[in-house]
Amino acid sequence: AQSVTQLDSHVSVSEGTPVLLRCNYSSSYSPSLFWYVQHPNKGLQLLLKYTSAATLVKGINGFEAEFKKSETSFHLTKPSAHMSDAAEYFCVVSGGVTGGGNKLTFGTGTQLKVEL
Amino acid sequence: ETGVTQTPRHLVMGMTNKKSLKCEQHLGHNAMYWYKQSAKKPLELMFVYNFKEQTENNSVPSRFSPECPNSSHLFLHLHTLQPEDSALYLCASTRIGYNEQFFGPGTRLTVL
Repeated sequence: AQSVTQLDSHVSVSEGTPVLLRCNYSSSYSPSLFWYVQHPNKGLQLLLKYTSAATLVKGINGFEAEFKKSETSFHLTKPSAHMSDAAEYFCVVSGGVTGGGNKLTFGTGTQLKVEL
Repeated sequence: ETGVTQTPRHLVMGMTNKKSLKCEQHLGHNAMYWYKQSAKKPLELMFVYNFKEQTENNSVPSRFSPECPNSSHLFLHLHTLQPEDSALYLCASTRIGYNEQFFGPGTRLTVL
């Protein structure tokens, strides 16, 4: 069984300040973890992924996330927010198999608002 | 945009209509998925196809009928829908053995 909890449904930051989106996971397997971003009226885009290599994972658009097994966390960070970062972010855990592909379990999402 | 396309992007239908959603992936993948995204709820997996064969039906009502004629195309046939079926329907694909899925832009469905 696997699950993911996004601790904040909404986060608001000022442009140029750091971003922290929090995620905790639970998995019976050695998990793969992802962050996806969804801009309004768009599909989900993969930001970054952790697959048991380096614990600090760098993604697109300056985002990164750190896998902490002891804390079962995979928080997403960015040093300096940009207006274009305003979107909904999903933390996702993969583990277990459905059909031929891996089953993804999605968090409920964090809406990031970036203010001037 | 990703290599996964969905049509139409928006659809409004009455409860007695029959319509179909289409998904096409240009990534050479061999597994395809339908998800439902409703407001305030996590993404719900509906169906999984692996090499054109359905491998998972996540207790989806029979008014949703998927079809996968080949590894690149996936359809979702809709009939006698209910207003609570209004949602964003997302298609995704992956290569079997890989973890990450690639998503299309979705079809925004409104059932009147």
